[in-house]
Amino acid sequence: EAGVTQSPTHLIKTRGQQATLRCSPISGHTSVYWYQQALGLGLQFLLWYDEGEERNRGNFPPRFSGRQFPNYSSELNVNALELEDSALYLCASSFWLQQQYFGAGTRLSVL
Amino acid sequence: TQLLEQSPQFLSIQEGENLTVYCNSSSVFSSLQWYRQEPGEGPVLLVTVVTGGEVKKLKRLTFQFGDARKDSSLHITAAQPGDTGLYLCGGDKIIFGKGTRLHILP
Repeated sequence: EAGVTQSPTHLIKTRGQQATLRCSPISGHTSVYWYQQALGLGLQFLLWYDEGEERNRGNFPPRFSGRQFPNYSSELNVNALELEDSALYLCASSFWLQQQYFGAGTRLSVL
Repeated sequence: TQLLEQSPQFLSIQEGENLTVYCNSSSVFSSLQWYRQEPGEGPVLLVTVVTGGEVKKLKRLTFQFGDARKDSSLHITAAQPGDTGLYLCGGDKIIFGKGTRLHILP
């Protein structure tokens, strides 16, 4: 069974640009979580989607947004990129509130 | 704001030694998770503890949840190089500590 897949693996952008990150959950999972893992800051919760709805949001500015599609895959969009947005972005999926399974992440570098 | 503090941040020890890492908070959590993350990969769940005072064992790893459900510890007996990695504790699934980076020297 395929695990959580994220694309792209690496993404290089410049300040002010927009980035789009994608996540495909494990088959049968309805929830997708997004996290930012920046150096020295640990894993920080960004967004939780379930059944197409945003269920919870972390303490991030509105330029971090996303959506979940009918097939439960998800996109994370980061607008007006700043240097401090450089981080590993991790996606996790679960069936509702059960165990989360993480993908390998997208490494975003903002120059 | 719920926070989880992990200590130590870094730990480098010889193979065969024992170690304990800690996860502390001023908040009560209904559950606490421990993950291990290796370079280039996402975190992998090791254990979930839900009851105050609960102790769970996973081979040489022993996990304990504090009586008040505010803290937890991970004890590794006879550490092996394969235990090397970043250990993360998470509360209620979405609150995470900064992690303990463990390096076991052969």
